[in-house]
Amino acid sequence: AQTVTQSQPEMSVQEAETVTLSCTYDTSESDYYLFWYKQPPSRQMILVIRQEAYKQQNATENRFSVNFQKAAKSFSLKISDSQLGDAAMYFCAYGGATNKLIFGTGTLLAVQP
Amino acid sequence: DVKVTQSSRYLVKRTGEKVFLECVQDMDHENMFWYRQDPGLGLRLIYFSYDVKMKEKGDIPEGYSVSREKKERFSLILESASTNQTSMYLCASSPSTGAAVYEQYFGPGTRLTVT
Repeated sequence: AQTVTQSQPEMSVQEAETVTLSCTYDTSESDYYLFWYKQPPSRQMILVIRQEAYKQQNATENRFSVNFQKAAKSFSLKISDSQLGDAAMYFCAYGGATNKLIFGTGTLLAVQP
Repeated sequence: DVKVTQSSRYLVKRTGEKVFLECVQDMDHENMFWYRQDPGLGLRLIYFSYDVKMKEKGDIPEGYSVSREKKERFSLILESASTNQTSMYLCASSPSTGAAVYEQYFGPGTRLTVT
């Protein structure tokens, strides 16, 4: 069975600085997708970024980028120029052959002004 | 603007009560999901549905059932609520084609307290 591990329950970053959230996963599948979802306080969860396993190029969405290391089964999220609105719970998720998402336990990111 | 709505943001029920959580999406999505979110455990899938009247068990279906009579509506039912079902419940929907299956749209959540 696939698993997703987020080893950092909480992290903190200064406004305008860069922070990296870690995620590792375990799978025997060769085709899959990886995602980062963001859940702001008292607001709906939204998709931040997506990575297809067959693509070697790391995905980027504005200030958000990933470091996808397929052999190491690592999928970290980098947030550049952090803003107060980036404060949220971030979930790493895996999507494989079952068409269901498997979520990690989340990392709570605080942004200090 | 796409939307997934849930019937209540906060709900307090007594042990043994039958509880209905409703979810409605306006995106004509085939797939709908019910998750439970607990601190330190992330999101765990309770049930999902890939079509009207179709349902499949997720990872933690015990104590829950679901109903999907219309494409836009997916209901989660706690037949006899227990205190260990106190949690945040999230509904989500997604299309059924390709990678979009995983790009789920979430509702605001229902925080259920069972006393």
